[in-house]
Amino acid sequence: GEDVEQSLFLSVREGDSSVINCTYTDSSSTYLYWYKQEPGAGLQLLTYIFSNMDMKQDQRLTVLLNKKDKHLSLRIADTQTGDSAIYFCAETPILTGGGNKLTFGTGTQLKVEL
Amino acid sequence: DTGVSQNPRHKITKRGQNVTFRCDPISEHNRLYWYRQTLGQGPEFLTYFQNEAQLEKSRLLSDRFSAERPKGSFSTLEIQRTEQGDSAMYLCASSFETTRDTQYFGPGTRLTVL
Repeated sequence: GEDVEQSLFLSVREGDSSVINCTYTDSSSTYLYWYKQEPGAGLQLLTYIFSNMDMKQDQRLTVLLNKKDKHLSLRIADTQTGDSAIYFCAETPILTGGGNKLTFGTGTQLKVEL
Repeated sequence: DTGVSQNPRHKITKRGQNVTFRCDPISEHNRLYWYRQTLGQGPEFLTYFQNEAQLEKSRLLSDRFSAERPKGSFSTLEIQRTEQGDSAMYLCASSFETTRDTQYFGPGTRLTVL
């Protein structure tokens, strides 16, 4: 089955860039998502990328996809204390006529220090 | 607010009791998903509905778990004879049926079984 892996922790200083990495195993066409979870809360969708794309930029967020290595990264520019949270990478295969259940990584805890 | 809502937000129960959670999806969304998240892990898929039909169930969903979506709008998740291992955050997500099927999550219900 599908598997998604992430590093557990990342600590950065306020104003620096953060890069959160993810690897996945699904070799079929897939959508890849980044979600943010603050303590005690649900998941907030940040951005997504389709597996035929290399890069997507959305304000302070840049997603890079290396299809050959099945490696996904999320770069947060000018990281702020409000960015402190757990970030989940998730993937789902493209299925026609059926629901697309998400497979999540274990999450990366981002800590932003002053 | 037209996001996904879940009730209750927190539930504490004694082992052996039955509990029921409710999820109200975004109004125009026809797909509804349930996930379970244990401490330090990413969410894991439990089941999903398209309109009122339950189309897929994970092997994580034991016989003690039942989910319904009787009119294709809100959904309930019932756990019978709760066990301490059922303690987790139960997350609901909804989506509008498209190839991308982007899922938007509710705040979750935190279940603690004593």
